[in-house]
Amino acid sequence: DAGVTQSPTHLIKTRGQQVTLRCSPKSGHDTVSWYQQALGQGPQFIFQYYEEEERQRGNFPDRFSGHQFPNYSSELNVNALLLGDSALYLCASSQRNWYNQPQHFGDGTRLSIL
Amino acid sequence: GEDVEQSLFLSVREGDSSVINCTYTDSSSTYLYWYKQEPGAGLQLLTYIFSNMDMKQDQRLTVLLNKKDKHLSLRIADTQTGDSAIYFCAEKETGANNLFFGTGTRLTVIP
Repeated sequence: DAGVTQSPTHLIKTRGQQVTLRCSPKSGHDTVSWYQQALGQGPQFIFQYYEEEERQRGNFPDRFSGHQFPNYSSELNVNALLLGDSALYLCASSQRNWYNQPQHFGDGTRLSIL
Repeated sequence: GEDVEQSLFLSVREGDSSVINCTYTDSSSTYLYWYKQEPGAGLQLLTYIFSNMDMKQDQRLTVLLNKKDKHLSLRIADTQTGDSAIYFCAEKETGANNLFFGTGTRLTVIP
């Protein structure tokens, strides 16, 4: 039973560029959430997707956008990259229709901005 | 707003018990979670507790919740070197689906 998988594992970009990160949820899960974890900090919620729509959003600018596909996989897009966007980006999946199914996390994509 | 606090560091000797503490401010929290993060890895769900429970035990792990004081703890019995990692406390509030995390406690197990 595959868990949450994310790609790529590492990525290096320069300021001003755009990046797309990908996530496949755990088998049987239909909801995907994205988190940003800066060095030495806990993860911070970016947004959550369910039924191909953004359902909830944290305190992140519009440069951060996402998409969910019919197979429940998801992408996180970040435009106009800033040095401060350097972080570990974590994807978490869960099953929305079961009361409080916990979120399961992938190993993340480490994004470095030069 | 939501605020989850943890002490930054904890060192214990192998075989001893570890107790990692967490305080939170949101009284509408419904579920509280403990995640483990090893170097270079994502977050591994360890256990969670519903806010109407006081205690939950799962093998070597015991979670205690004091809802009045908004205090959560994770006790690891017979701590092993493989338990060395960062432990995050997280809460989920009523009506929301996202988690609010603390800054994490780095547990070091001394052989």
